Amino acid sequence: DIVMTQTPLSSPVTLGQPASISCRSSQSLVHSDGNTYLSWLQQRPGQPPRLLIYKISNRFSGVPDRFSGSGAGTDFTLKISRVEAEDVGVYYCTQATQFPNTFGQGTKLEIK
Amino acid sequence: EVQLVQSGAEVKKPGATVKISCKVSGYTFTDYYMHWVQQAPGKGLEWMGLVDPEDGETIYAEKFQGRVTITADTSTDTAYMELSSLRSEDTAVYYCATDPPSRSRYDWGQGTLVTVSS
Repeated sequence: DIVMTQTPLSSPVTLGQPASISCRSSQSLVHSDGNTYLSWLQQRPGQPPRLLIYKISNRFSGVPDRFSGSGAGTDFTLKISRVEAEDVGVYYCTQATQFPNTFGQGTKLEIK
Repeated sequence: EVQLVQSGAEVKKPGATVKISCKVSGYTFTDYYMHWVQQAPGKGLEWMGLVDPEDGETIYAEKFQGRVTITADTSTDTAYMELSSLRSEDTAVYYCATDPPSRSRYDWGQGTLVTVSS
């Protein structure tokens, strides 16, 4: 199984400041079709997860442009340019390149 | 609008079986995979398996192999996840989630809490 490792596991951030979460996979996420199926999910307290970013850097419909994704191969990053109160929650990276799908441990974003 | 509506909370005794449903709308049921994900209290997300409603083919995570059965009923656009031989560690919220082969979206149900307690 591909292991997804996120850092940090907790991120206290001041409102209006940037935040960054890293995700590393135990093997390359480049699929044989040439795509890299790395996504980022946000889970607000008491809510189901929701998709933010797919295939490394594509923002899903309705996701604010302060969220961006980057990376390649085994190293990926989610950045929030200016954190807002509604961004509080847990963020997960997940891969769908190889079954079984796997998730990172989650990074808890909280406001200082 | 894609919607996934799951069945309600369940309380089961150890050793029992639970079956959760996930009714979809807003897209063609057979075009997207249907996944099931477990989230224990205060913990992260764990993928259990998926079904391809087009042909009923399933893939299960090794951890749940032998105890989980995922099915899809194309006549009602509903997917099911059955988990048997329940133990206390299976107490969790279970989510259905759907995505197309292109992985360009990932829609989730509201979650179903299953409590396993004697």
